[in-house]
Amino acid sequence: QKEVEQDPGPLSVPEGAIVSLNCTYSNSAFQYFMWYRQYSRKGPELLMYTYSSGNKEDGRFTAQVDKSSKYISLFIRDSQPSDSATYLCAMKNSGGSNYKLTFGKGTLLTVNP
Amino acid sequence: GAVVSQHPSWVICKSGTSVKIECRSLDFQATTMFWYRQFPKQSLMLMATSNEGSKATYEQGVEKDKFLINHASLTLSTLTVTSAHPEDSSFYICSAPDGSGANVLTFGAGSRLTVL
Repeated sequence: QKEVEQDPGPLSVPEGAIVSLNCTYSNSAFQYFMWYRQYSRKGPELLMYTYSSGNKEDGRFTAQVDKSSKYISLFIRDSQPSDSATYLCAMKNSGGSNYKLTFGKGTLLTVNP
Repeated sequence: GAVVSQHPSWVICKSGTSVKIECRSLDFQATTMFWYRQFPKQSLMLMATSNEGSKATYEQGVEKDKFLINHASLTLSTLTVTSAHPEDSSFYICSAPDGSGANVLTFGAGSRLTVL
């Protein structure tokens, strides 16, 4: 079993739809959870960053972490064509100087106008 | 915000040659930088941790003699792919902690290497 599982999609939705992206993981030591957005042929950019369980909202984006189920989600409300990209979940152990991230494969999202 | 710049953004080379990729932190200092590799439709895989003033730390399965890393200053790390072969063709991405103290990595735009 891989440490982080993410459905690669592709996922295609109409503009304005609510998008749900998910990852599951097996390593209970993961404490920090991130979502990155990666446009084609570009490096990942950080979207959301959460610590431990709970919800975090930033504009149209909401990140949820359920450590008991080892499951994290990213919701995108009122999706826009500019949201079309690959979304990568990433996780890591405790903080300090440990920056080693474990990534999911990424989900390719297309928002159709 | 913190910006990491990579150069070149894409490079094509012949098999057997060496290619150098630069990673610079533009507005902050980075004692540590990270090099990732990403194959098509695959996840980012950490190759090595670049440490300013000391040797890089390589992940299991990554050949240190093939992927030479030098962290010459607090703003520059280089990855040299030596004696490149077609199977080394990939997207190489560097990153660095953004210095905010929030354990966040800032990524460069990546360098696409194609070995003919």
